[in-house]
Amino acid sequence: QVQLQISGPGLVRPSETLSLTCIVSDDSLSTYFWSWIRQIPGKGLEWLGYIYFTGTTQYNPSLYGRVSMSVDTSKVQFSLHLTSVTAADTAMYFCAKGNSPKEVNYWSQGTLVTVS
Amino acid sequence: DIQMTQSPPSLSASVGDRVTITCRASQDISYYLAWIQQRPGKAPKSLIFAATKLLKGVPSKFSGSGYGTVFTLTITNLQPEDFGTYYCQQYDRFPPTFGPGTTVDVK
Repeated sequence: QVQLQISGPGLVRPSETLSLTCIVSDDSLSTYFWSWIRQIPGKGLEWLGYIYFTGTTQYNPSLYGRVSMSVDTSKVQFSLHLTSVTAADTAMYFCAKGNSPKEVNYWSQGTLVTVS
Repeated sequence: DIQMTQSPPSLSASVGDRVTITCRASQDISYYLAWIQQRPGKAPKSLIFAATKLLKGVPSKFSGSGYGTVFTLTITNLQPEDFGTYYCQQYDRFPPTFGPGTTVDVK
């Protein structure tokens, strides 16, 4: 089973950009669709968007254009960038794999990002 | 966005019990429904996709049913590792949305 490992800072200052990278342990980057999902403490899950290895993306409109994603096939990883963060963006962030753009079949361990 | 609701919000059960969780979608989502388990302190784990299909490695004690707007997750012979929170997720329409979760804890 593929392993997904998130790297990135656990603390981001307000108004700055939150950037996380998800490293894929095998060569399946071009086979699946890759998503970012977050979970605000004590609340539910929110799908942020997905990216395909071609660079095709789709984002959740709830993020009001603050989100972008990128993929680096040579490093077998994909990234999340969330601009102009506020305390409301404090959450556990997950990267995930799916068989289709909106599907999630396998999740990474989460990484807590605090905006403060 | 499609709104997902779950009932009950929480339930208490004993080892060996059979439990059923219901998920409702605010509009018809066909069979595009997944179930996800999250144990305390652990990463979420997807269990079921397409309303009824078990992902590889998921034991047959988990089963899903439903179509359209009403879906159920049933867990038989509840074991300690099954306690946690269960979420449904629709992936029919963009953006995918999740239910608020049902917490299964020890009676």
